Amino acid sequence: DAGVIQSPRHEVTEMGQEVTLRCKPISGHNSLFWYRQTMMRGLELLIYFNNNVPIDDSGMPEDRFSAKMPNASFSTLKIQPSEPRDSAVYFCASNSQVGDTQYFGPGTRLTVL
Amino acid sequence: AQSVAQPEDQVNVAEGNPLTVKCTYSVSGNPYLFWYVQYPNRGLQFLLKYITGDNLVKGSYGFEAEFNKSQTSFHLKKPSALVSDSALYFCAVRVGYNTDKLIFGTGTRLQVFP
Repeated sequence: DAGVIQSPRHEVTEMGQEVTLRCKPISGHNSLFWYRQTMMRGLELLIYFNNNVPIDDSGMPEDRFSAKMPNASFSTLKIQPSEPRDSAVYFCASNSQVGDTQYFGPGTRLTVL
Repeated sequence: AQSVAQPEDQVNVAEGNPLTVKCTYSVSGNPYLFWYVQYPNRGLQFLLKYITGDNLVKGSYGFEAEFNKSQTSFHLKKPSALVSDSALYFCAVRVGYNTDKLIFGTGTRLQVFP
């Protein structure tokens, strides 16, 4: 199994630009999670989906952030417009059922100038 | 409120010595507890978890963790540290029975010296 796949691995953009991060979960997994990691705030859950439906988006910082999961094998996290404080590593994770281990992708390092 | 604490920012240990990375939690109900490890520029890798059963849980790479309900702790241990164990370690707790939401600790950097 290829594991959770994220793209791009690195993204550098300018303030005000739209950024789209992509994730492919492990095949057969029903839940998908988006996390953000920063030095100041640590690792925080932004949103998670179960069977393609958003279950908890209480961690989404503000309206500039949106996430979609159009099918079981693909999800996007979009930031529009981006700001320097959005600079972080964004991780995607997936698991097969509620309570099961979450498996993480390699992350996308986002830098907003 | 549900929470997890890792009281040490960094743990230093000599290679070959036993290591302990501490974690305490606060949840209502029975906890689901996890340990993950993060190597530089990598994602988090699962080490082990406690859901129910034996208080001593064995995981990957020779790591184990002991669940202590009375002390609300879930410390990570290894009998003999390797230099390659040097990494960032995260403890996490599931916040409720019907949710998949995890709360992560702030992480503990383990440094193993040759």
